[in-house]
Amino acid sequence: KNEVEQSPQNLTAQEGEFITINCSYSVGISALHWLQQHPGGGIVSLFMLSSGKKKHGRLIATINIQEKHSSLHITASHPRDSAVYICAKETSGSRLTFGEGTQLTVNP
Amino acid sequence: GAVVSQHPSRVICKSGTSVKIECRSLDFQATTMFWYRQFPKQSLMLMATSNEGSKATYEQGVEKDKFLINHASLTLSTLTVTSAHPEDSSFYICSARDHWTQSYGYTFGSGTRLTVV
Repeated sequence: KNEVEQSPQNLTAQEGEFITINCSYSVGISALHWLQQHPGGGIVSLFMLSSGKKKHGRLIATINIQEKHSSLHITASHPRDSAVYICAKETSGSRLTFGEGTQLTVNP
Repeated sequence: GAVVSQHPSRVICKSGTSVKIECRSLDFQATTMFWYRQFPKQSLMLMATSNEGSKATYEQGVEKDKFLINHASLTLSTLTVTSAHPEDSSFYICSARDHWTQSYGYTFGSGTRLTVV
């Protein structure tokens, strides 16, 4: 069992739809990260969470520490949101362990 | 915002040669940088943690003599793939976190796509 599991693996949506990507992790963490990887490989850090909820523009990330679960939501999705979204848990020593990623495609 | 510059972005080399990849934090100090490898359609895997002024810490299964890491300053870490083989072909990416504002997330380099022929 992976330490970080994401679902779904692939997601196709129509422009404007509300999108949710889920992440579960198996052991305690110091923080949970959501990353966005573009087709060229570049990675952007979206959120770092240790509790509650954060919002940045159309993106919202939540975490439930007791349930070891986090979600990334995208409101009013747009084709430019198409990318791989990666959940990663941070443990001691600032080590990151990554989920396998969710390939999101938003069609116009 | 914080920027990590990674070079080269792409490199093709012959088997048996060595390749050096550089990561520089442009506007912040990074006592620790991280090196990852990503094979096609797979998730990122941490290879090693690079500590300024000391030896890197390698993950299990990563050969330290093959993947040489140097972190000589607070803004520069290098990864050298020695005696490269085709199975070393992969996407290598570094990340760093501002030493003074660790409450923020990581900043990633743009990655290096290595092809060994």
